[in-house]
Amino acid sequence: AQSVTQPDIHITVSEGASLELRCNYSYGATPYLFWYVQSPGQGLQLLLKYFSGDTLVQGIKGFEAEFKRSQSSFNLRKPSVHWSDAAEYFCAVALGGSSASKIIFGSGTRLSIRP
Amino acid sequence: GAVVSQHPSWVICKSGTSVKIECRSLDFQATTMFWYRQFPKQSLMLMATSNEGSKATYEQGVEKDKFLINHASLTLSTLTVTSAHPEDSSFYICSASRGGGGGETQYFGPGTRLLVL
Repeated sequence: AQSVTQPDIHITVSEGASLELRCNYSYGATPYLFWYVQSPGQGLQLLLKYFSGDTLVQGIKGFEAEFKRSQSSFNLRKPSVHWSDAAEYFCAVALGGSSASKIIFGSGTRLSIRP
Repeated sequence: GAVVSQHPSWVICKSGTSVKIECRSLDFQATTMFWYRQFPKQSLMLMATSNEGSKATYEQGVEKDKFLINHASLTLSTLTVTSAHPEDSSFYICSASRGGGGGETQYFGPGTRLLVL
C-alpha cells in the first residue's frame, strides 16, 4: 500500500542552524513528491515538488529536497533556519502524475525554532 | 494565479444542524476538487474526490450520506456536513486541480474550521 512516513514528530533547532526533515515513501510506481508547510490554523503552502529530472529540487523560502530512489526518501533541507520557519511540515506523494491524482500525506513534523 | 478560496473560514453550529462549506477556484477552472479533513495535530486525510458534473468518489470509511459533495461548476464545489455532531468538529481543507497532464499540482484552500457544539 502507498504510504508516507515522517519519522520525526517534533524537531527543535536553533535559529541560524541547518535543518533536515526526513521523509520516506512507499509507492510502486514513479513517485511524484511534495513538501508542504502549514502555519497554525492556516492552509497548506507548497514548498517544492519533484516530478522528474534533477533529483535535487529547489523550492521557495530557501528550502531544497533531494529525491533518493534507492532509499525511497525525499528529505527536506535548509542551510539556515529563521524564526519564521516554525510551522508544521508535511511530505506527500501523489498517486499518479496528473493534478487530478490523489495525494497521500505524511503525519507531519512540527518544527520549533530556538532563539 | 491559481488561488483557491473557502467560505466560511470558520463556523460554529449546534449539534444536529447542517453546515455547507464552499470551495472556489478563483482564477482557473477546476475539473477535479478534493476534500480533506484534519484533526488537531494530525495530518490531512482525503475524504472524497469531486469531478465537475459527476458524483463524488468517497474514500473508504467516509459516510457519503453525511458528507454531501456537489461540484456543480468548474469553479465551485460544496461540502455539506449533514446533521453535524461534535465528533465532526475538524479543519476541512479543499484543493483544486487545474487538469491537464503531468507536472501540475493541486492548489489548496485556506481551510474551514468547524466546531459543532
